[in-house]
Amino acid sequence: GESVGLHLPTLSVQEGDNSIINCAYSNSASDYFIWYKQESGKGPQFIIDIRSNMDKRQGQRVTVLLNKTVKHLSLQIAATQPGDSAVYFCAEIPSGGYNKLIFGAGTRLAVHP
Amino acid sequence: ETGVTQSPTHLIKTRGQQVTLRCSSQSGHNTVSWYQQALGQGPQFIFQYYREEENGRGNFPPRFSGLQFPNYSSELNVNALELDDSALYLCASSLNGRGQGGGYTFGSGTRLTVV
Repeated sequence: GESVGLHLPTLSVQEGDNSIINCAYSNSASDYFIWYKQESGKGPQFIIDIRSNMDKRQGQRVTVLLNKTVKHLSLQIAATQPGDSAVYFCAEIPSGGYNKLIFGAGTRLAVHP
Repeated sequence: ETGVTQSPTHLIKTRGQQVTLRCSSQSGHNTVSWYQQALGQGPQFIFQYYREEENGRGNFPPRFSGLQFPNYSSELNVNALELDDSALYLCASSLNGRGQGGGYTFGSGTRLTVV
């Protein structure tokens, strides 16, 4: 299928290790921050989001951390599996008006057995 | 419940031509947004349609236009195609434009190549 992230930074991890994917965002007035996973030939798939008044949120095997002071967002994936291999994008929803997504540059996660 | 479907999956057009891309929204959704994703980059917001009206637009020229139909499906039209229009075009549907909590459902996209 099509490769989404030919020239994206790549994070390589061993199966079973924890992964941390980082993102710097630009708009300090955003309401929500979202992590998406995009596999080759597919559209972005929602993983987890966090509201701007929170600094941590946990899901199943994933944790999102938000540091508004330095405008930094991270996604932690516990016990990374081969099925986690994909391109990961952070996105923000600016406050006010209609909800549009502003996507970051993306990181390719490669999980090795 | 069906997800978002886009057609065609791949398309090759010549510079200067016009193209129409189609999107069927997820059942129960009334809002459709379109995004352009160049190779190796994140998607960029083109515009959003809610109840058949455009209610938000990104930094794209007027030759990018759209429609939403009463059944909430949508079309993206691009006139006077340029080489830089080559990209994956993604459609996302939602209920009332609500994106938080996984509110957006994306289709698999249409890969447009302009030669």
